[in-house]
Amino acid sequence: NAGVTQTPKFQVLKTGQSMTLQCAQDMNHEYMSWYRQDPGMGLRLIHYSVGAGITDQGEVPNGYNVSRSTTEDFPLRLLSAAPSQTSVYFCASRPGTPETQYFGPGTRLLVL
Amino acid sequence: RKEVEQDPGPFNVPEGATVAFNCTYSNSASQSFFWYRQDCRKEPKLLMSVYSSGNEDGRFTAQLNRASQYISLLIRDSKLSDSATYLCVVLSGSARQLTFGSGTQLTVLP
Repeated sequence: NAGVTQTPKFQVLKTGQSMTLQCAQDMNHEYMSWYRQDPGMGLRLIHYSVGAGITDQGEVPNGYNVSRSTTEDFPLRLLSAAPSQTSVYFCASRPGTPETQYFGPGTRLLVL
Repeated sequence: RKEVEQDPGPFNVPEGATVAFNCTYSNSASQSFFWYRQDCRKEPKLLMSVYSSGNEDGRFTAQLNRASQYISLLIRDSKLSDSATYLCVVLSGSARQLTFGSGTQLTVLP
């Protein structure tokens, strides 16, 4: 199993540009989530999904959209990038139970 | 108040030392508790779950005190390879979401 994969690994954007961060898992997990990690702030939940066709907002959803058309894929869209969205983004998945969460390797995003 | 609060650290300890990390959580209805480890510029990985009766995994011991809403992690005989950031994680709410503490950085010195 590849586990949780994320692309790209690194990305530089200009303010106002849009892009999609890809996330896929091959473990047939129900739950998938997107987090951002900033220095001193820990991991903050952006959006999550409890199954295909179901998404919900987390702690910091503004400026981001998600969709979950399949169990495997959970892309994160930045609608109009802002410097405040410079961060490391982690995608994660887990089964309903147990609650062990598996993370992708992360995407480092710089918005100029 | 943050939902999950941890010792800010950093902790710098010599090899072989015993070190303890503490964590408090605000939601008394929280259901499950975990410690994750994150190496520099890597993704977090599960270190161990935390059970009400306390549990041990080799040199690592985790304790949960539901009455005080307090979780701890004890590392005995620290190794250089234990250097990492340790994240306290709590599962709570009807959506069963995980909330992460901001982490405690540990450096084990030779």
